[in-house]
Amino acid sequence: DARVTQTPRHKVTEMGQEVTMRCQPILGHNTVFWYRQTMMQGLELLAYFRNRAPLDDSGMPKDRFSAEMPDATLATLKIQPSEPRDSAVYFCASGSTRQGDQPQHFGDGTRLSIL
Amino acid sequence: KNEVEQSPQNLTAQEGEFITINCSYSVGISALHWLQQHPGGGIVSLFMLSSGKKKHGRLIATINIQEKHSSLHITASHPRDSAVYICAVSPHNTDKLIFGTGTRLQVFP
Repeated sequence: DARVTQTPRHKVTEMGQEVTMRCQPILGHNTVFWYRQTMMQGLELLAYFRNRAPLDDSGMPKDRFSAEMPDATLATLKIQPSEPRDSAVYFCASGSTRQGDQPQHFGDGTRLSIL
Repeated sequence: KNEVEQSPQNLTAQEGEFITINCSYSVGISALHWLQQHPGGGIVSLFMLSSGKKKHGRLIATINIQEKHSSLHITASHPRDSAVYICAVSPHNTDKLIFGTGTRLQVFP
């Protein structure tokens, strides 16, 4: 079964450090999404890409977060500098606009703790 | 007011019971999704629907576009159905999802 792969699965670091999360979308998928899940806010969209172009990053704090797709097989989400309030589970999902009635596929998430 | 509202927030049931989770939304949508998340686990898409009804095993999802309402039903519930069920919508002309706050379901033997 094709899967969305996220690395690392867990990350613990001190505030102020740079954090990079990576996502390998399912081969052939042309949309990639970054979501954040917290107990207080639930799931929220941070950014999404279609055909590697950023379409919406309105949910992302621009001063410290950045999202990129250097190529079709890799999406990255960076936080610099990290803060304790960034502690959350970050999910990547991919989908295809070419396959009509198909849902997004989620990765297993990166559980981030900022001390 | 949230654009996607779910009820109930928490639900407990005895094994074998019929379960219904409701979702209401306030925006125009191209599709509605039901997702499942086990404790500490990843997110799995159960259904994506834009009209009518879909069935997969013991799970049934329905949507009424005019009333902006969807339901997820679980027949003959089982302890392994214990999870958080999340309703999400794709607004018109966008691929992104707007999520409800989820319904935590516990099914006891």
